[in-house]
Amino acid sequence: QSVLTQPPSLSGAPGQRVTMSCNGSNSNIGTGFDVHWYQQLPRTAPKLLIYGTNNRPSGVPDRFSGSRSGTSASLAITGLQPEDEAAYYCQAYDTTLSHSVFGTGTRVTV
Amino acid sequence: EVQLVESGGGLVQPGRSLRLSCAASGFTFDDYAMHWVRQAPGKGLEWVSSITWNSGNMDYADSVRGRFTISRDNAKNSLYLQMDSLRVEDTALYYCAKDLSTYDGPGSYFDNWGQGTLVTVSS
Repeated sequence: QSVLTQPPSLSGAPGQRVTMSCNGSNSNIGTGFDVHWYQQLPRTAPKLLIYGTNNRPSGVPDRFSGSRSGTSASLAITGLQPEDEAAYYCQAYDTTLSHSVFGTGTRVTV
Repeated sequence: EVQLVESGGGLVQPGRSLRLSCAASGFTFDDYAMHWVRQAPGKGLEWVSSITWNSGNMDYADSVRGRFTISRDNAKNSLYLQMDSLRVEDTALYYCAKDLSTYDGPGSYFDNWGQGTLVTVSS
């Protein structure tokens, strides 16, 4: 059972803006540690999408952005594209467990 | 270009053992911590284990602690996962992932992933 909770699914039309949450606690996101996001396209390995809460690796479109507030984090996709249809996972370090943890994942349908 | 290639997966009976390997290339392997992450069929990602750059510290998820052992051979640019006393619930695709840092800590994230190797535990 993951300590980071995400909505199981959400959907949007092409061009829309969608936002997904990642709810944690004072032992992970609430500590102020960075939150990271991964995109997993169907039948492929996960790919780093956002690191350090709101930084994009080279090649990731700027329509993806992240934020954090209190014990929660969010990933926003503006101008949703068909190729954004994937599962998205948040990740953070947990001080109680002393290791990294993943969120439960959100499947986005376009 | 960073490459991580897992191998060693397969079908195994409950209670038996399996050893996974991950061959790394395209970066200075002994500069980074490494992780194993698994994904059960149709499920989400689960962090399994990590090892620091110099094998000074290893950590495990509660679900595998005492049964799995992570190791690395920096001379061979390779990461391993010895899985003993396998259970049906260990069935998953196992990914090898590179950390951006030398150890799994507050700033850790996984900047490169392999394609995974499938482990199926069934009688």
